Amino acid sequence: DQQVKQNSPSLSVQEGRISILNCDYTNSMFDYFLWYKKYPAEGPTFLISISSIKDKNEDGRFTVFLNKSAKHLSLHIVPSQPGDSAVYFCAARQGGSEKLVFGKGTKLTVNP
Amino acid sequence: SQTIHQWPATLVQPVGSPLSLECTVEGTSNPNLYWYRQAAGRGLQLLFYSVGIGQISSEVPQNLSASRPQDRQFILSSKKLLLSDSGFYLCAWSVRGGLDTQYFGPGTRLTVL
Repeated sequence: DQQVKQNSPSLSVQEGRISILNCDYTNSMFDYFLWYKKYPAEGPTFLISISSIKDKNEDGRFTVFLNKSAKHLSLHIVPSQPGDSAVYFCAARQGGSEKLVFGKGTKLTVNP
Repeated sequence: SQTIHQWPATLVQPVGSPLSLECTVEGTSNPNLYWYRQAAGRGLQLLFYSVGIGQISSEVPQNLSASRPQDRQFILSSKKLLLSDSGFYLCAWSVRGGLDTQYFGPGTRLTVL
């Protein structure tokens, strides 16, 4: 049972435009959500996180939105840059757990 | 600052051979440690995690095992590799009892032939 789902395996965006990456989850006990960025042959890099007590967190060009009623979160990248081209993973933690549950990732391509 | 190391970076092994991948963390104490595998075109699969020396939790029954002989050292092993063990292996750490942001190492690309 996949508790964290990233339904779009890939996304292509023009440089300077907004990239929106989506993530859905099924476990209502998740209380902390994270986004990671991964280049080929490298480890994932932490990007941004959000606690379930918030509905938005912003860090520079990156903003994460959380809609608890819809069990949905999204990552907005504005403006998108070619260096943002990577695979983006959504992850979630259940309160009290030491583990994260990851989605399968979305490959973002930002075209110059 | 904290640093996480993994070695080797790449490894090509024949089927049936043993495996030992090592991960060490610097700049922190009592971390949680994790082993993940990313198979080709797949997401991140948690294999093992550890909250302390000698404490290992296995997530997926398989051909692999893990050990934590020291506080900041995590080892992934196999006695006999299978073709299906090929993949990209990632070690990660997090602050014990923290918000569980995990920080990943550079990974090891394992190819079993």
